[in-house]
Amino acid sequence: NAGVTQTPKFRVLKTGQSMTLLCAQDMNHEYMYWYRQDPGMGLRLIHYSVGEGTTAKGEVPDGYNVSRLKKQNFLLGLESAAPSQTSVYFCASSYSRTLLGGEAFFGQGTRLTVV
Amino acid sequence: AQKITQTQPGMFVQEKEAVTLDCTYDTSDPSYGLFWYKQPSSGEMIFLIYQGSYDQQNATEGRYSLNFQKARKSANLVISASQLGDSAMYFCAMRDDLNTGTASKLTFGTGTRLQVTL
Repeated sequence: NAGVTQTPKFRVLKTGQSMTLLCAQDMNHEYMYWYRQDPGMGLRLIHYSVGEGTTAKGEVPDGYNVSRLKKQNFLLGLESAAPSQTSVYFCASSYSRTLLGGEAFFGQGTRLTVV
Repeated sequence: AQKITQTQPGMFVQEKEAVTLDCTYDTSDPSYGLFWYKQPSSGEMIFLIYQGSYDQQNATEGRYSLNFQKARKSANLVISASQLGDSAMYFCAMRDDLNTGTASKLTFGTGTRLQVTL
């Protein structure tokens, strides 16, 4: 059972470089989320999607873009990386209704360092 | 706007004792779900327990129970008979259930680091 898979697991970027983080889920979940985790800050929502072709901004969207062209994939892009984007990034997915359980399933995280 | 508050940055508990981790929330939505997650030092996020806003009884899952007080907007996690393996970061989270597109965020608190001692 794959669940939620994030690619890559680790990455070092130079300031100004671009990259795309891929999140793939095989549970047919409608909702997908991208978070960043920094010490003492908990998990902060970057962008999220409630269905294929739809995305919305979270708490800290600046400097990031996302796309959800296929239901199972949610891509997070950094167009011009900055040292402030050094963080651990988590992708998560869930069903649309909490009444169906609705807990989010998480990927293993991507540790990104921008130098 | 949704907001989750965890006021305990760190907690210590002795093995085999019970511990309560606090969580308060703020929302204007009538229907929502509350979640607790555990993050051990290895980094993965592990789902522990869920409470729906309309659930009449407090949720329980093994040694975990959720003390849900709707009027006070609190959803504290109680861990009974603590074990060394319970040492981890614990996050409270909330999501509204309106399914109206932009409303359905999953919002996390800043977490509580629990250390279980001998």
